Amino acid sequence: DIQMTQSPSTLSASVGDRVTITCRASQSISNWLAWYQQKPGKAPKLLIYDASSLESGVPSRFSGSGSGTEFTLTISSLQPEDFATYYCQQYKSNPWTFGQGTKVEIK
Amino acid sequence: EGQLLESGGGLVQPGGSLRLSCTASGFTFSSYAMSWVRQAPGKGLEWVSLISYSGGRIYYADSVKGRFTIARDNSKNTLYVQMNSLRVEDTAVYYCAKSREGTTDAFDIWGQGTVVTVSS
Repeated sequence: DIQMTQSPSTLSASVGDRVTITCRASQSISNWLAWYQQKPGKAPKLLIYDASSLESGVPSRFSGSGSGTEFTLTISSLQPEDFATYYCQQYKSNPWTFGQGTKVEIK
Repeated sequence: EGQLLESGGGLVQPGGSLRLSCTASGFTFSSYAMSWVRQAPGKGLEWVSLISYSGGRIYYADSVKGRFTIARDNSKNTLYVQMNSLRVEDTAVYYCAKSREGTTDAFDIWGQGTVVTVSS
């Protein structure tokens, strides 16, 4: 199975900050990577697919990069509605696996 | 805008069974692979099972293999999961999710989730 490891687990930041979350795969997944945002009590929401493609309707302050085993999600200027938990997910092979999540908190 | 609506969750005793349903609208259900993803209380996301658009390919996480059965009825735009021999550790919110394009793809539409509690 491919393990996905996110860092950090928790991130404290202020509105307007540039935020970067890292996701590492235990083996190469090319660009078969997605990023999701989840708010408490809500379903996850797709932000980025194929490592760097922005899902329709997602603000352009979100961006993704990377390939192989190392990936990043960047929020260029953190907004109040961005405080949430973020998950990466690989879909190169079965079983599809998620990172453990990164909680972005208000500083 | 596509939507998914899960139902069938509830409280069940260990060893019991439950069938969850997920009804789709707003997109051509029969053209897309579908998955079940769960989230235990206070924990992260865990993919459970995936079925291809036709039902011809089915995959399970090791944690549910032999106990859960995924199925779909394209005439009813509905996805199912039959959960047998339930364990306390199966307690979670269960989401259904649509694959974006191919079978191996990100999940672009999620339901609101249905809660399954396994407890005596």
